[in-house]
Amino acid sequence: DTGVSQDPRHKITKRGQNVTFRCDPISEHNRLYWYRQTLGQGPEFLTYFQNEAQLEKSRLLSDRFSAERPKGSFSTLEIQRTEQGDSAMYLCASSQGPGGPNEQFFGPGTRLTVL
Amino acid sequence: AQTVTQSQPEMSVQEAETVTLSCTYDTSESNYYLFWYKQPPSRQMILVIRQEAYKQQNATENRFSVNFQKAAKSFSLKISDSQLGDTAMYFCAFMKPADNAGNMLTFGGGTRLMVKP
Repeated sequence: DTGVSQDPRHKITKRGQNVTFRCDPISEHNRLYWYRQTLGQGPEFLTYFQNEAQLEKSRLLSDRFSAERPKGSFSTLEIQRTEQGDSAMYLCASSQGPGGPNEQFFGPGTRLTVL
Repeated sequence: AQTVTQSQPEMSVQEAETVTLSCTYDTSESNYYLFWYKQPPSRQMILVIRQEAYKQQNATENRFSVNFQKAAKSFSLKISDSQLGDTAMYFCAFMKPADNAGNMLTFGGGTRLMVKP
């Protein structure tokens, strides 16, 4: 198992453009999380999937953000009409559940720069 | 809502010495989990150590140990025999267990640790 992977690793876009990120979790993990990390800060929770169902969304996730996890495997996070404030590292994590303090394994992140 | 506070933005330690990173949290929950994650420069975050709140015994993983004070809501990380590879951002994180909902992590702001040769 190669761990959690994310693509792309870096994305530079102009304000107003749409971007989409992909996360491939560890294959046997049924839980998938998206976090956002701005420079010098800790990650903040955005949304969570159990299998294909999106069960929780943070208030940080504005209407311009949408996430999917079709078939309960990989997940995509789309940001529409990007703003400079969206510049951040977007982290994906996966874990097994339910039950227990299931360790979340993190991917390398996608660094988004909005010009 | 839970909050996690790390009051030391930056710390440094000489190689082979011991350093302690502080973390406090606020919650009304009685059962929860606490974690320390390490994020090396330009590398992905990895779990260092975890503690279940219902366990009185402090967790230990090789050179890493915690001092968990539940009443004080304090969860510090001690790194013994510091190594150059310990240089990283360290994040304290809180998790409220909820089998039917997400076990999302609430992170502190991080402590940047530099190990000096």
